[in-house]
Amino acid sequence: DAEITQSPRHKITETGRQVTLACHQTWNHNNMFWYRQDLGHGLRLIHYSYGVQDTNKGEVSDGYSVSRSNTEDLPLTLESAASSQTSVYFCASSPGRSEAFFGQGTRLTVV
Amino acid sequence: GENVEQHPSTLSVQEGDSAVIKCTYSDSASNYFPWYKQELGKRPQLIIDIRSNVGEKKDQRIAVTLNKTAKHFSLHITETQPEDSAVYFCAVEPAGNKLTFGGGTRVLVKP
Repeated sequence: DAEITQSPRHKITETGRQVTLACHQTWNHNNMFWYRQDLGHGLRLIHYSYGVQDTNKGEVSDGYSVSRSNTEDLPLTLESAASSQTSVYFCASSPGRSEAFFGQGTRLTVV
Repeated sequence: GENVEQHPSTLSVQEGDSAVIKCTYSDSASNYFPWYKQELGKRPQLIIDIRSNVGEKKDQRIAVTLNKTAKHFSLHITETQPEDSAVYFCAVEPAGNKLTFGGGTRVLVKP
C-alpha cells in the first residue's frame, strides 16, 4: 500500500544545531507540504513543492528550508534550531484538489 | 494569500445532539474544501470534502454545505457520539493547489 512516512518520530536537539526532518511518500504525488502544529495555531504551512526542483515558501518559512530532488522525498531543514521551533511537524502529500495524506508527525524539542 | 477563519474554536455538545462548525475564506478562486479530523496524538485524516460545483454533500452522519457567494462552508455532525470527540480542521485549496487550514475546532461530546 502507498504511504507517507516521517522520521524521526521524536527529536531533541540543542539551540543552534542544524536539524533535518525526513518525509518520504510512495503515492507518487507531485504536491508535498510541510506544516507545523502548535497549540492555538492549527496547522501552519512552512514550505511546499509542486514537483521536482520546485520549492515555495509558506506563511512561516523563516529559519526553514526544503529541497526536492525526486518525487518521493521532501526533507525539511532547520538551519539553526531555536526554541521557538519546538513543535509537532507534519508532512503531507496530495495529487491536488483531492485528499491530502499526512505522515505520522515528528515531535521536535529544541533545548 | 488565502485566509481561512474557523469558528468556534471549542465546541461541547451532549451525545446525540448536532454540532456545526463554520469556516470562511477569502480567495474567490478556491475550488476545493476538505474537512479533516485529528484525534489526540494522531495525524489529520480526511472525513469529507466538497468541490465548488456542489452546494451540499452528505456521508452518513456528516455533511458539508458550501456557499460560494458568501465564501463560507460548514461541517454538520448529527447524532454525535463520543468517538466524534476530536479536533476538526477545515481547509481551502485555491487554484494553485496550496492547502490552507483553519485554526481548528476542538469538539467534546459529553455522554
